[in-house]
Amino acid sequence: KNQVEQSPQSLIILEGKNCTLQCNYTVSPFSNLRWYKQDTGRGPVSLTIMTFSENTKSNGRYTATLDADTKQSSLHITASQLSDSASYICVVLGVSNYQLIWGAGTKLIIKP
Amino acid sequence: DSGVTQTPKHLITATGQRVTLRCSPRSGDLSVYWYQQSLDQGLQFLIQYYNGEERAKGNILERFSAQQFPDLHSELNLSSLELGDSALYFCASSAGDTLTYEQYFGPGTRLTVT
Repeated sequence: KNQVEQSPQSLIILEGKNCTLQCNYTVSPFSNLRWYKQDTGRGPVSLTIMTFSENTKSNGRYTATLDADTKQSSLHITASQLSDSASYICVVLGVSNYQLIWGAGTKLIIKP
Repeated sequence: DSGVTQTPKHLITATGQRVTLRCSPRSGDLSVYWYQQSLDQGLQFLIQYYNGEERAKGNILERFSAQQFPDLHSELNLSSLELGDSALYFCASSAGDTLTYEQYFGPGTRLTVT
């Protein structure tokens, strides 16, 4: 069964600190992997999209990595800000069944 | 601002009723997607339209239906509403017909069924 699992479920860190969110998937083969940021009650906003051949992609303070061999991705946030408080969702596009498989998300809380 | 608009922002209705949610995609985008997000849950893909034609179907109930009009706006119709249909409903749009294109999400419609 195609799955996308994210960890941790929730995370609290102090402003200014770095953090890394994990995404493990069983979707295979896949076309691309995306990370979205979703503020509470708002629509998701795309942070990065990586194809299976890419290893890393950055968007400002956000850096996503992808290891297609181990089927793992991570999202690293540097120098966290209060506005980074949100849910971060990993999404994988499967090739065989042509579906976007959404993870449940990691809820990140940044404390001053 | 993603450029995707959704109306209404909030909707409160009773069980058994029917409602229509509306979405206007970004200028130039031909695909529209509908998603449901229940409280503290992940997004569930419902359905995709591309240039007026149904392109992909997800976990959409038979009580729900959608369409995309010639001006590319889309409507999601929810009928015989149940308490469990209370959720945020998001619309997204993309330029192309395949899921490889980036999706841009609207602000959502919060539906409360009492």
